[in-house]
Amino acid sequence: ILNVEQSPQSLHVQEGDSTNFTCSFPSSNFYALHWYRWETAKSPEALFVMTLNGDEKKKGRISATLNTKEGYSYLYIKGSQPEDSATYLCASFMYSGGGADGLTFGKGTHLIIQP
Amino acid sequence: DTEVTQTPKHLVMGMTNKKSLKCEQHMGHRAMYWYKQKAKKPPELMFVYSYEKLSINESVPSRFSPECPNSSLLNLHLHALQPEDSALYLCASSQDQSSLYEQYFGPGTRLTVT
Repeated sequence: ILNVEQSPQSLHVQEGDSTNFTCSFPSSNFYALHWYRWETAKSPEALFVMTLNGDEKKKGRISATLNTKEGYSYLYIKGSQPEDSATYLCASFMYSGGGADGLTFGKGTHLIIQP
Repeated sequence: DTEVTQTPKHLVMGMTNKKSLKCEQHMGHRAMYWYKQKAKKPPELMFVYSYEKLSINESVPSRFSPECPNSSLLNLHLHALQPEDSALYLCASSQDQSSLYEQYFGPGTRLTVT
């Protein structure tokens, strides 16, 4: 994998249901994996920064896991609420060996919670 | 104050115009970033300032010129842009450029080049 890939691109979930989606990233030269939530007409907001293989982080009903050896991360939302509707972006921090080192983003998973 | 502000929110400019985008943060962050996002594409890193020193993404055309007047301010000067430069320009900051720190984003400037 050369780029950061997210799946699915969009997801419709019934209120109260739980859901999860995937981020795949290059496992070589890995330093950190970031998750951001981006609500319409607002700024992207950080959810998690993860660095260690097997890492698991939780914030309220949202949690994330990380597998650096195989290059993937899962984001889970338990008991989805309408306010969870947003685009969820993951980004891998890559050092290029020169130039602008920083985050390489996936295209995001657009989540819509239906009442 | 955990806010990153960007002005203007919207900008329409002709290909011969010169304009500037502005970004400000007062969190004491020492790294600031410019990203470009085109529709249905991920945000793409353009420039990083770390402790007011510039790191350049060499694929960014010279018609984009960043400036960091001080540790709180970041500008992006635009000159002779092309219609394909129309995009959302996001500014972000973080404690420093380490991969361990989350980035705080502004709401973006929606740029249209006519």
